[in-house]
Amino acid sequence: GNSVTQMEGPVTLSEEAFLTINCTYTATGYPSLFWYVQYPGEGLQLLLKATKADDKGSNKGFEATYRKETTSFHLEKGSVQVSDSAVYFCALHGGSNYKLTFGKGTLLTVNP
Amino acid sequence: NAGVTQTPKFQVLKTGQSMTLQCAQDMNHNSMYWYRQDPGMGLRLIYYSASEGTTDKGEVPNGYNVSRLNKREFSLRLESAAPSQTSVYFCASSPRGTRGSGANVLTFGAGSRLTVL
Repeated sequence: GNSVTQMEGPVTLSEEAFLTINCTYTATGYPSLFWYVQYPGEGLQLLLKATKADDKGSNKGFEATYRKETTSFHLEKGSVQVSDSAVYFCALHGGSNYKLTFGKGTLLTVNP
Repeated sequence: NAGVTQTPKFQVLKTGQSMTLQCAQDMNHNSMYWYRQDPGMGLRLIYYSASEGTTDKGEVPNGYNVSRLNKREFSLRLESAAPSQTSVYFCASSPRGTRGSGANVLTFGAGSRLTVL
């Protein structure tokens, strides 16, 4: 079945540092890939997505590229801010069902 | 622009009590979902409804029932609550109701924190 593995947290960075959160997946066919973000006390919200190989999703300075050869979708940001402190979830949607499969989440804390 | 609304936000139950979590969306979405979020476990799908009139089990359906009351509303019921059901519950919806339709972006509610003593 489908699965998503993302790096264990927590991740603690200083403001303006470079961020990478690794995500790899296992799926049959050609899944769509997502990063969701959960700010404290809130539900998840879509951060970015990519629907086919070599697509790059981007939003709010975050980027992730769909790499089919390495089955990866790593999240990156060049300069994090305190307001980026949140839990980040990698997820995939396999086309043959309705379900979104999530990774376990990575807590990011950015200190001033 | 309410999106997905869940009630209640917080609830404390005793073992064996029953309760229903309510969820409503105003985006005319076809599909709705219930997830639970537990530390170290990420989000796990409890039940989903691909379209009005249908419901299906997810990864962890035991101890829960659902009702898709109409296109807008999807409720989750705990008939006899257990401490293992202490969790944060999220309702979500998405526009797509067709298999193999590609990207399926979910909109989440703010969550319902349930404690079972």
